[in-house]
Amino acid sequence: GAGVSQSPRYKVAKRGQDVALRCDPISGHVSLFWYQQALGQGPEFLTYFQNEAQLDKSGLPSDRFFAERPEGSVSTLKIQRTQQEDSAVYLCASSLLGTTEAFFGQGTRLTVV
Amino acid sequence: QQQVKQSPQSLIVQKGGISIINCAYENTAFDYFPWYQQFPGKGPALLIAIRPDVSEKKEGRFTISFNKSAKQFSLHIMDSQPGDSATYFCAASRLNNDMRFGAGTRLTVKP
Repeated sequence: GAGVSQSPRYKVAKRGQDVALRCDPISGHVSLFWYQQALGQGPEFLTYFQNEAQLDKSGLPSDRFFAERPEGSVSTLKIQRTQQEDSAVYLCASSLLGTTEAFFGQGTRLTVV
Repeated sequence: QQQVKQSPQSLIVQKGGISIINCAYENTAFDYFPWYQQFPGKGPALLIAIRPDVSEKKEGRFTISFNKSAKQFSLHIMDSQPGDSATYFCAASRLNNDMRFGAGTRLTVKP
């Protein structure tokens, strides 16, 4: 595809359930970012990959959040034992190595009930 | 956690007017300052960006003004149009590192 693709677009989870959110970056993009966007707020950084290496995970809010990119392409953000405060839009972005123009996907809206 | 402060929170402008959004940052290591535009239900899309070695960059109706000593930068939208109605985010980053966003400005351009 031409852009960053995220799935699912919407996810409703019961509190305590585990969820997995998928990101397909633009082909050839080395850098991949995950952001959390609460309603009416700017995106908050979660984690950053360069190829398969997770170089920065300082933004992950708790050890319930885990991200991986095992083959340096598709990435999955996993949230264990979801809580209501996890409700947000999760955005994925990718960029070419050495550039800073990041292209965002449409996001996954997670609602924890 | 907000390393980039953005104002105003919301802005209403008449068609043809100038929209001005301001941002300030703390970390002097930042060397890339983009502005993103976001429509409801969509991801942010890059609008225009600047590096700190220039004080102004213009692309069509959009201009970034950058004041390195004050650690401030702003977006000016000239001849604002109803189609410009969206949420605008400033951001700051170091090369190929995580990007820090402002809280956003909801712009409404009235016809």
